[in-house]
Amino acid sequence: DTAVSQTPKYLVTQMGNDKSIKCEQNLGHDTMYWYKQDSKKFLKIMFSYNNKELIINETVPNRFSPKSPDKAHLNLHINSLELGDSAVYFCASSLAGPRTDTQYFGPGTRLTVL
Amino acid sequence: GDSVTQMEGPVTLSEEAFLTINCTYTATGYPSLFWYVQYPGEGLQLLLKATKADDKGSNKGFEATYRKETTSFHLEKGSVQVSDSAVYFCALFTQGGSEKLVFGKGMKLTVNP
Repeated sequence: DTAVSQTPKYLVTQMGNDKSIKCEQNLGHDTMYWYKQDSKKFLKIMFSYNNKELIINETVPNRFSPKSPDKAHLNLHINSLELGDSAVYFCASSLAGPRTDTQYFGPGTRLTVL
Repeated sequence: GDSVTQMEGPVTLSEEAFLTINCTYTATGYPSLFWYVQYPGEGLQLLLKATKADDKGSNKGFEATYRKETTSFHLEKGSVQVSDSAVYFCALFTQGGSEKLVFGKGMKLTVNP
């Protein structure tokens, strides 16, 4: 069983479009995260949700909007896509709130904006 | 703010060579320290961690010791294999500080047979 899953694995789209990436975890964790990994492999947190409540919101354009329908899911919606949004986006989860240090990552979604 | 500095690659080694990847950190409070590994086409996996000074984390032949006096957490392996080819990330987590995982820039390792 996949612990943290993301769909789609690859996403190619035109500038200006709106797209969503879905994430689900079956670990029973309370906290979920979205990270962005750029072309140089630099990994930076974007958002964190704990029990459907937003905990961390880094300096991210408001074109990015996370949605957590329940604690097992954290989706990422991106409006008006730009070239600079091209990256690999990773979802992650951790056990008991944001103070739990070990995180489990999904396989990533490679977004290419043309 | 909290930060992690690790040696940047890419690094290419021959099989059975000795590996060291340097990592130093700056943090408020007392961080937990981690090494995560990203194999080609996959997400990050926790490789090892240490939660207090002088702790040694170990897994799959890799080791790292939490050195508070030098604020370091260098990763070592005595004999690398082709299957160790991956990107390695050093990271820290500080409770009572930023309370988020802060990653270094990652180092790509290629091991040739």
